[in-house]
This record gives sequence, structure tokens and C-alpha cells, in this order.
Amino acid sequence: AQTVTQSQPEMSVQEAETVTLSCTYDTSESDYYLFWYKQPPSRQMILVIRQEAYKQQNATENRFSVNFQKAAKSFSLKISDSQLGDAAMYFCAYRTYISNFGNEKLTFGTGTRLTIIP
Amino acid sequence: EAQVTQNPRYLITVTGKKLTVTCSQNMNHEYMSWYRQDPGLGLRQIYYSMNVEVTDKGDVPEGYKVSRKEKRNFPLILESPSPNQTSLYFCASSLYGDPTKGYTFGSGTRLTVV
Repeated sequence: AQTVTQSQPEMSVQEAETVTLSCTYDTSESDYYLFWYKQPPSRQMILVIRQEAYKQQNATENRFSVNFQKAAKSFSLKISDSQLGDAAMYFCAYRTYISNFGNEKLTFGTGTRLTIIP
Repeated sequence: EAQVTQNPRYLITVTGKKLTVTCSQNMNHEYMSWYRQDPGLGLRQIYYSMNVEVTDKGDVPEGYKVSRKEKRNFPLILESPSPNQTSLYFCASSLYGDPTKGYTFGSGTRLTVV
């Protein structure tokens, strides 16, 4: 079974600075998808960025980018020019590429709470 | 607007009193799933459904039931709630067999069982 580990329960960053959130995972599959979700105080789960394992190029969405190291099974999220609205819980998640027995579940890490210091 | 609608948003109940949390999506998604979120544990899957009348257990199914009589609806039923089911619950949906996308999540239900 796949597991996802987020070793930083809490992080803080000064506004306008850059912060990196760590995520590692364990899988025996060669094809899969990785995601970062943001959960602000409103509780809504918001997709931040997605990475396909077969793509070597790291995904980028505006101020958000990932450092995907497939061999090391590492998937970190970098937030540049941090803004107050970035304060949230961030979850790393894994999704299998091929459905096994029909369950296409997302396997989540335990989350990292990010605080932005004005 | 494409969305997953969960109700209620907040619910306080007493031990043993049956309750249902509703979930409805308007995107014609085949796949739907329930998760619970607990501090330090992240989100864990309770049940999932691949299509109408096709449901199966996730990682933490004990104490829960689901049904999928219509494609758009996937209610979560707690027949006899207990305090250890106090949690934040999310319903989610996606196109089955399309791993290029994540899920669309509902806005969550904060359940307290006293």
C-alpha cells in the first residue's frame, strides 16, 4: 500500500519570502499522480498543483512549483513571494495511475500548517 | 457551477442517534468517496463508489454505511454514532478512470458526537 509522509507539522514564513514544504511517499508503482491540496480556515480543499510521475519536468502554477524527485520519492512544494492568503493547511496526496480493484483513492499525508508572518 | 454539495455543514448529535450526511454532485462523475479528517492523521477514506449500486469499503469503514441509488447522490449514514466518530467529513467526486485530475471536494461537515 502507498504511504505519504509530511514530516513538518508546522511551518512559518515571512510575507514575500519563499518556503518549501516537504513530502515523501512510498510506492512500488512506476506511474502515478501526486497532488498538493490547500485547506484554508474555510475548510475547503483546494487543488494547488498536480504532477504526473511519467513527466520529468516539474509542475508550476504561478507562485507554486514542485521539486519532484522520482528516484528519491520526494515531492516538495515551493511557494514563492508568500502572501497572507497562503496561510493554510497543506496536504500532499498520491493517486494511483491504474485503478486497482476500482478504488482510485487519494492517499493523503498528515498535513503541514503554514503560517505567514506579516 | 460544478460542485459537490454536502449537508449539513455542522452537526452536533448524541451517542446512538442515527444520522445521515448528504452529498450530491452535478458533474456526472462516476466515482465518489467519503473521507474523514482528524488532527495528525490527515484524510482517510471511509467508503467509495465506482458507480450506481457499486460501493466498497475504504480504510476506516467501521461504524459507517453508504448507498448509491442515484449517480449524483452518495449519502453517509451513521446508524449508531459514537464519540470516536467526531470528525470533519468530506465527500469528493471525480471522473472514473481519469487520473489526470484530482477530486472535487465538498465543503465538509463538522460532526460532534456527545
